[in-house]
Amino acid sequence: GAVVSQHPSRVICKSGTSVKIECRSLDFQATTMFWYRQFPKQSLMLMATSNEGSKATYEQGVEKDKFLINHASLTLSTLTVASAHPEDSSFYICSARDLTGGGYGYTFGSGTRLTVV
Amino acid sequence: AQKITQTQPGMFVQEKEAVTLDCTYDTSDPSYGLFWYKQPSSGEMIFLIYQGSYDQQNATEGRYSLNFQKARKSANLVISASQLGDSAMYFCAMREGGNTGNQFYFGTGTSLTVIP
Repeated sequence: GAVVSQHPSRVICKSGTSVKIECRSLDFQATTMFWYRQFPKQSLMLMATSNEGSKATYEQGVEKDKFLINHASLTLSTLTVASAHPEDSSFYICSARDLTGGGYGYTFGSGTRLTVV
Repeated sequence: AQKITQTQPGMFVQEKEAVTLDCTYDTSDPSYGLFWYKQPSSGEMIFLIYQGSYDQQNATEGRYSLNFQKARKSANLVISASQLGDSAMYFCAMREGGNTGNQFYFGTGTSLTVIP
């Protein structure tokens, strides 16, 4: 079935540094990818939708200069947390739109737990 | 209004018993899909079951079944013969707009604990 690989699974970084998270579709082409943020014991909140070759669409309240999304190819989307601060500590998870296989069109990555110290 | 409502923050079930996790939804779109995901403590979202708005029969996948009551806008997940490994967070989600729809809404989740 469709697989989305997300790396890294965990990252600890110092305040003020930038962190890049990769989301890669392994056996299908993902023209659309979604990035979610999840605080402890809360639901997934959609941050942005990225379409290959165009600018990402951000949800209201999400700082596009803080959360930089690049979807340069049909199999790779990246989320860069610029100048991370402790309040950016969260669980980030991507999802790819896949019309070829299981999950009825949506396959999730395994998530990245970001801790900013 | 909330698109997806899960009213049970936490549920407990005895091992081998069945449990129902509630989910109600709100949409005016005639074409939509309903999903259930399991999220263990490791964080990955595991797809469990899907119900399309036009599906006549309730979806089933192994020990999982979806009790779809369209008029009441409810899509409860039933887990039969609970196992210890079923302990996790469970999220109900909805996609509006048919297969071309992108907007995805999640509920707040239910934490299920299976007791030995």
